[in-house]
Parts: sequence; C-alpha cells; structure tokens
Amino acid sequence: AQKITQTQPGMFVQEKEAVTLDCTYDTSDQSYGLFWYKQPSSGEMIFLIYQGSYDEQNATEGRYSLNFQKARKSANLVISASQLGDSAMYFCAMREIQGAQKLVFGQGTRLTINP
Amino acid sequence: NAGVTQTPKFQVLKTGQSMTLQCAQDMNHEYMSWYRQDPGMGLRLIHYSVGAGITDQGEVPNGYNVSRSTTEDFPLRLLSAAPSQTSVYFCASRGRDRETEAFFGQGTRLTVV
Repeated sequence: AQKITQTQPGMFVQEKEAVTLDCTYDTSDQSYGLFWYKQPSSGEMIFLIYQGSYDEQNATEGRYSLNFQKARKSANLVISASQLGDSAMYFCAMREIQGAQKLVFGQGTRLTINP
Repeated sequence: NAGVTQTPKFQVLKTGQSMTLQCAQDMNHEYMSWYRQDPGMGLRLIHYSVGAGITDQGEVPNGYNVSRSTTEDFPLRLLSAAPSQTSVYFCASRGRDRETEAFFGQGTRLTVV
C-alpha cells in the first residue's frame, strides 16, 4: 500500500533563507508520481511541483525544487529565498500510475516564515 | 474559468440529517475525487470516479455515497450525519494524463452537532 510520511509537523524559518520540507514515501509500484501542494490559511489547495518516478532530473518550478532520491524513497521540497507569503501548510502526495491512480497525502508540515 | 466548484462553502447539520455536497468541474476531466481533511491527518480519500458511471471507494468511504451521472458533476451524499463527519471536504478533478496535477475546489467546512 502507498504511504507518505512527513515528519516535520512545524517549521520556523527566517525570511530569505532556504527551507527543506521532508517527505518519504513507500510504494511497491515502479511507476508513480510525487506532488507537493501548498495550503495557505485561506484553505485552498495550490499545486506546486510534480516529479515522475522515471524522471532523471529533479523537478524545478521557480523558487521550488524537488530533491528526489529514489533509492531512499524521499521527495523533499526545497524553497529558495523564502518569503512571508510562503507561510502555509505543505502537503506531499503520491499517485500510482497504474491501477486506480489514487492520490495519497502525507500529514502535512506547517511552515512559518519569520520577518 | 471556474475550474472546480464546490457548494456550499459552510454547512451545519444536526446528527442524523442527510445532505449532499455538490462538486462540478468545467475542464472535461475524467477523474474526480472527494477528500476529507481533519486536523493532523492530511487529506484522506473518500470516494473517487474514473469516468461517468464509474465510482469506487477510497480510504474512508463509510457513511458516504457518490454517483457520477455526468462528466461534470460528482456529488457526495452524507446519509445520516454523525459528529465524526465534522471535517473540511475537498473535491478534486484531473485529466487523463498521468502526470497532471489534481485541481481542487475551495472546500466545504461541515460541522455536525
């Protein structure tokens, strides 16, 4: 069965610093996708970045990058030059590519950026 | 460009009442899902659909029913509301491409008293 683990319930970072949010996953599938979503205090779910299990390069989207280490089954989100607006909950999620293709979420990490 | 629309945004129910949470998408997406979000537990899949007429159970289906008569709509029915169903509910949709992200509605905050 798929499982996502986010071990950091909360993180506090100074503005302009880089921050890494941890995510480990467990799956028996060879083909899967990894996602990161941001949930600000307003409640909506905002897609940030995607990494496919067969992608050889780490995904990047602006200030977001995904540090994908397949052998370790980790998919950490790196935010460079953090901003006050980055304060939010962040969720790591995984979807199997075959079969039912269900999206499974981790428990989330609450990131607070201090000025 | 509406995307995924959920109604209502807020709802208070009494124990034992039934209601339907509405979800509609205008992106012609085949895949639609319902999640509930409880504090400290992330999002958990309730039911999902891979196309009109096809639904299946997710991780926490008990107490909920779904149907998918059209591509656009995927309503979630609470049969007999219980306090344990107090949660924030999200509907999501995505296209067939395996790499596409899920698009989420704004959420429905449901309180059962």
